Amino acid sequence: GQQLNQSPQSMFIQEGEDVSMNCTSSSIFNTWLWYKQDPGEGPVLLIALYKAGELTSNGRLTAQFGITRKDSFLNISASIPSDVGIYFCAGQRAGSYQLTFGKGTKLSVIP
Amino acid sequence: GAGVSQSPRYKVAKRGQDVALRCDPISGHVSLFWYQQALGQGPEFLTYFQNEAQLDKSGLPSDRFFAERPEGSVSTLKIQRTQQEDSAVYLCASSLVERSTQYFGPGTRLTVL
Repeated sequence: GQQLNQSPQSMFIQEGEDVSMNCTSSSIFNTWLWYKQDPGEGPVLLIALYKAGELTSNGRLTAQFGITRKDSFLNISASIPSDVGIYFCAGQRAGSYQLTFGKGTKLSVIP
Repeated sequence: GAGVSQSPRYKVAKRGQDVALRCDPISGHVSLFWYQQALGQGPEFLTYFQNEAQLDKSGLPSDRFFAERPEGSVSTLKIQRTQQEDSAVYLCASSLVERSTQYFGPGTRLTVL
């Protein structure tokens, strides 16, 4: 099935560094979502974006909905060890309940 | 409970066996979704229920996959004659209404030998 293009696939960063990851699509989405998945758990919603150009923050996390509606990025500032996990972007089309996910970015934080 | 629960958390099946995976959604949530997550991939949509009605089963990979939600609450995903390619984590999600935030359960990891 279709999946969004998410990059990078994995990252190793030092504790305290900032992180940036992004997601692109060949088609338009009306909602962009960012989830975090810990090992053995289901995805947990971090940030939801509903409008092109929207910039939304949740603590140390900031996400933007691209103007073209075909991309989104997620920034994490001042990373800490508990940020470790897999981050997924997901897109939702207008009038649809289906979520289309990226393949994930695996984040490792070195203390 | 406060969240979506799934059971069993782990299931090992021999090829050809039938399996049944259970999902208990958040109480009062009308919408229920099943996703399949292969190793190293993001979740992929399988099927959607609104109350007891299965409105979309376009993501089910074959007719060996069957899902039900007879009373509009608990849902069961059944896989008949399991194959090795069925090995994956099966995630259930529920939402208050159709397009509101989807809350995911912890998943059932199915391994077919």
